[in-house]
Amino acid sequence: KQEVTQIPAALSVPEGENLVLNCSFTDSAIYNLQWFRQDPGKGLTSLLLIQSSQREQTSGRLNASLDKSSGRSTLYIAASQPGDSATYLCAVSPYYGNNRLAFGKGNQVVVIP
Amino acid sequence: NAGVTQTPKFQVLKTGQSMTLQCAQDMNHEYMSWYRQDPGMGLRLIHYSVGAGITDQGEVPNGYNVSRSTTEDFPLRLLSAAPSQTSVYFCASSYSGTGTTEAFFGQGTRLTVV
Repeated sequence: KQEVTQIPAALSVPEGENLVLNCSFTDSAIYNLQWFRQDPGKGLTSLLLIQSSQREQTSGRLNASLDKSSGRSTLYIAASQPGDSATYLCAVSPYYGNNRLAFGKGNQVVVIP
Repeated sequence: NAGVTQTPKFQVLKTGQSMTLQCAQDMNHEYMSWYRQDPGMGLRLIHYSVGAGITDQGEVPNGYNVSRSTTEDFPLRLLSAAPSQTSVYFCASSYSGTGTTEAFFGQGTRLTVV
């Protein structure tokens, strides 16, 4: 069974610092990995999706890397802002179609003004 | 563009009652899934579907039924609610063709069973 771990579970950073969030998974036979953002009481918003053949994806201040062989992904958020405060979830898909995701428990982030 | 719509947003049930959580998507996605989110457990897969008429069990299917009669809708049925089913339920959909296959999620249904 695929196990997804996110470390640290919670962190606080001052505004302007770069955020580094880690995700590890036990089975490297994945099709893709997706990072989501979840605000309190809300649904999940997709941030970045990395196919297993890719090493990284970038969108604005966000950059996600994938090392499939070692079972790790890292989400970097540059120059953090208070609006980045949220829980960030990592999910891996063993199959094409992204409909059987295995999730980590999330990184709860607070950016202090 | 509505995306994935879940109803209701909140629901309180008594033990033993039944109900259906609705999920609809307007993106013509073949793949749809149901997850539950519990504190300290993360999101876990309940049931999923790869198209109309095709469903299968996920990690935690007991106590839940699904059917998929149309591409747009994927309802989740609780036949006899139990306090252990108190949770936040999320429906998701994704594209089955070539190109991006990111999953899109609804806003969730917060269910309390008393």
